Amino acid sequence: DQQVKQNSPSLSVQEGRISILNCDYTNSMFDYFLWYKKYPAEGPTFLISISSIKDKNEDGRFTVFLNKSAKHLSLHIVPSQPGDSAVYFCAASGQGGSEKLVFGKGMKLTVNP
Amino acid sequence: DTAVSQTPKYLVTQMGNDKSIKCEQNLGHDTMYWYKQDSKKFLKIMFSYNNKELIINETVPNRFSPKSPDKAHLNLHINSLELGDSAVYFCASSHNRDTALHFGNGTRLTVT
Repeated sequence: DQQVKQNSPSLSVQEGRISILNCDYTNSMFDYFLWYKKYPAEGPTFLISISSIKDKNEDGRFTVFLNKSAKHLSLHIVPSQPGDSAVYFCAASGQGGSEKLVFGKGMKLTVNP
Repeated sequence: DTAVSQTPKYLVTQMGNDKSIKCEQNLGHDTMYWYKQDSKKFLKIMFSYNNKELIINETVPNRFSPKSPDKAHLNLHINSLELGDSAVYFCASSHNRDTALHFGNGTRLTVT
């Protein structure tokens, strides 16, 4: 029973272009959403988060959009850089914080020079 | 000056053995976690400790026993290892229960 779904396993984009990573969730009690980035042989690194009271949060090249009615969020990376190549995990929590995060299975982003 | 460090990085052992994974964080966080990443790549929480007290214990077999001697350490002991325990185990910490997790680099456990 996947409560957080990242349906595309991979994405390949050209350097300088926009990368859009999508995530869907099924649990309407989720109210806090995060994106993590993971390089091989390392642990996930926190990237950006959004609470359900917002529909957009921006941090430099990274923007997360939340559509509560569709139970959908997306991560936009503009402009994409080769160093952004990694696996990206979407995660959600129903307790307003990081406790008991539910993760998607990740999506591999490749940014080609 | 690694923030969350876990040892060992790799652990290969036979079924039936008992093994431990250690985790330490130097971030001054008061909440620590163990996550398991299985073969399907899902990261699932196993345990959470806040100030040395167990606050989350997901449906994990009681062969898994976390121990937190102080709030900077959370070790994971596994008894009678089984093939299905093979996975990557990640330790993480956060400043209270409301902020983003900081993960260690994982311990790849292989049970043969």
